[in-house]
Amino acid sequence: DVKVTQSSRYLVKRTGEKVFLECVQDMDHENMFWYRQDPGLGLRLIYFSYDVKMKEKGDIPEGYSVSREKKERFSLILESASTNQTSMYLCASSLSQGTYEQYFGPGTRLTVT
Amino acid sequence: GEDVEQSLFLSVREGDSSVINCTYTDSSSTYLYWYKQEPGAGLQLLTYIFSNMDMKQDQRLTVLLNKKDKHLSLRIADTQTGDSAIYFCAEDAGNMLTFGGGTRLMVKP
Repeated sequence: DVKVTQSSRYLVKRTGEKVFLECVQDMDHENMFWYRQDPGLGLRLIYFSYDVKMKEKGDIPEGYSVSREKKERFSLILESASTNQTSMYLCASSLSQGTYEQYFGPGTRLTVT
Repeated sequence: GEDVEQSLFLSVREGDSSVINCTYTDSSSTYLYWYKQEPGAGLQLLTYIFSNMDMKQDQRLTVLLNKKDKHLSLRIADTQTGDSAIYFCAEDAGNMLTFGGGTRLMVKP
């Protein structure tokens, strides 16, 4: 079974702090994604990566950066957390060919106070 | 941009059938997907359908695809309280997926 894990289920940070969200997948998937999920807005893509050290902006990259130093790990970084970044963050991974289905981690609920 | 649209909410009684609808925009999508999200959890792939199929059945789940109208539906037979969740449809756009906003299914006992 594909497993995607995220470093924290719940996180509380203060405004202005630097925040790291880690995601690890164990199925040698090329593609990895970070989404945020807010009520009424569905899933919005922040960044994705299709290979090590490669990254592409999604729909809402402002205020975020990412790092992919190893194939299995994709990190989301909030350089200076703000209250409007309070959200559920979901990581996913997929193969680069075939049926493209994405496998999701359990999510990190981040609260910025 | 592309929009995948779903109604926000559906309420059914236990034992009834549920039908969740979705309209998508990209006629070149190869696969269309249904995901389920239970409270406080990530998304779990329920099923997917290849774009040259009209229907796919998997136990209590039936997926119908109308390519002409770009309409996708998920029917859950004999809906149970454990089916209460948010259901997302998605279409592929190359290597990526575009998700709908999700339909919250509430099952009343």
